Amino acid sequence: DIVMTQSPDSLAVSLGGRATINCKSSQSVLYSSNNKNYLAWYQQKPGQPPKLLIYWASTRESGVPDRFSGSGSGTDFTLTISSLQAEDVAVYSCQQYYTTPLTFGGGTKVEIK
Amino acid sequence: QLQLQESGPGLVKPSETLSLTCTVSGGSISSSGYYWGWIRQPPRKGLEWIGTIYYSESTYYNPSLKSRVTISVDTSKNQFSLKLSSVTAADTAVYYCARLRPGAAFGVVIPTSIDYWGQGTLVTVSS
Repeated sequence: DIVMTQSPDSLAVSLGGRATINCKSSQSVLYSSNNKNYLAWYQQKPGQPPKLLIYWASTRESGVPDRFSGSGSGTDFTLTISSLQAEDVAVYSCQQYYTTPLTFGGGTKVEIK
Repeated sequence: QLQLQESGPGLVKPSETLSLTCTVSGGSISSSGYYWGWIRQPPRKGLEWIGTIYYSESTYYNPSLKSRVTISVDTSKNQFSLKLSSVTAADTAVYYCARLRPGAAFGVVIPTSIDYWGQGTLVTVSS
């Protein structure tokens, strides 16, 4: 199984500040034939299901604000919230789909400082 | 707008079989070309993929659960179902049904990111 490790477990950021969440996979999720990274990011608010934010590591889902961006390749990935808003308080998780079993990171809780 | 809704017992006894159904509205399971699957989240823990089905033919199960899991589709009802046998307290979780986008890798179609989720249903395993 590909193990997804996120850091930090939690972080507190001021309103308008920058939040950076890291995700590391135990093996590369870059498929060389199409140069795509098989990685997605989700946002989960309390009592709600996860919401897809980013897929192919850096493609923003329709309707997702452009303050959310994904970057990285191979085994190291980052989700950045450029200007944190109150509604961004949530747990963020990465997921690889390079191979089954599909696996998720443990989640990073983002709070307001 | 596609909607998914889980249904089933919220309490299951140890050693029994957990059975959940996901009803899909706003789109057809059989004509969409998407994967349909189940993900669970134990209390205060991360997400765990259980398994996925494609066109009632191809199923992918998490090896950690494979011996206990069956996912099936009923296209006449636009539903898909999960059965998890021999449950223990470790199976207590919120269970989500979901739609997964198809993608390609190594010459085959594979499940990728999850774009629609049900609201989730808490299943507690306890006597």
